Amino acid sequence: DSGVTQTPKHLITATGQRVTLRCSPRSGDLSVYWYQQSLDQGLQFLIQYYNGEERAKGNILERFSAQQFPDLHSELNLSSLELGDSALYFCASTPGRDLSSYGYTFGSGTRLTVV
Amino acid sequence: GENVEQHPSTLSVQEGDSAVIKCTYSDSASNYFPWYKQELGKGPQLIIDIRSNVGEKKDQRIAVTLNKTAKHFSLHITETQPEDSAVYFCAAGKGSSMNTGFQKLVFGTGTRLLVSP
Repeated sequence: DSGVTQTPKHLITATGQRVTLRCSPRSGDLSVYWYQQSLDQGLQFLIQYYNGEERAKGNILERFSAQQFPDLHSELNLSSLELGDSALYFCASTPGRDLSSYGYTFGSGTRLTVV
Repeated sequence: GENVEQHPSTLSVQEGDSAVIKCTYSDSASNYFPWYKQELGKGPQLIIDIRSNVGEKKDQRIAVTLNKTAKHFSLHITETQPEDSAVYFCAAGKGSSMNTGFQKLVFGTGTRLLVSP
């Protein structure tokens, strides 16, 4: 157990629908990152939150949005889903303020299948 | 922005052989270079990392080297074992000030390592 919790583990939904993926960072970590991993693809950065504020955006579609709540958990909302959105979605956390420890701790991911 | 290239995409070795995976990065300001191992159905797990103030780091059978001038870094696995079979990702990033938190890591496209008994 990495300490980063992602739910649900699997999600099957139809095109056009909306889903919410949840991430609880490791205790004490302030930064949360979302990554998308498509089949046989690398990890594509979507968005970063630091202590409740959006810090950086990557290749995140306008149909996708995210937020980080006061308790530091984060949610990634995917709407108007398309077949191509099927992928593994990973959340990672870091302490943020601790410059001596940069390493990401990843969750086990949510596998989204759009049918 | 940062771009990380990783080679090879697949690597097959016999048990006991060494394996080397190479990455190059584009942003000379990057100062943190981690390597992750991803097993089937799991999230990536940090196995070793190196910061730009050192050229080499070793942890048992795993070592990483960094050439800042050439902007490339490599993962070396010696005495490979079947349980080393997985996808390995390199990444590059920049540490940041305490006001902004750590900036995002940019990942390579991964290397699928297969160790045959």
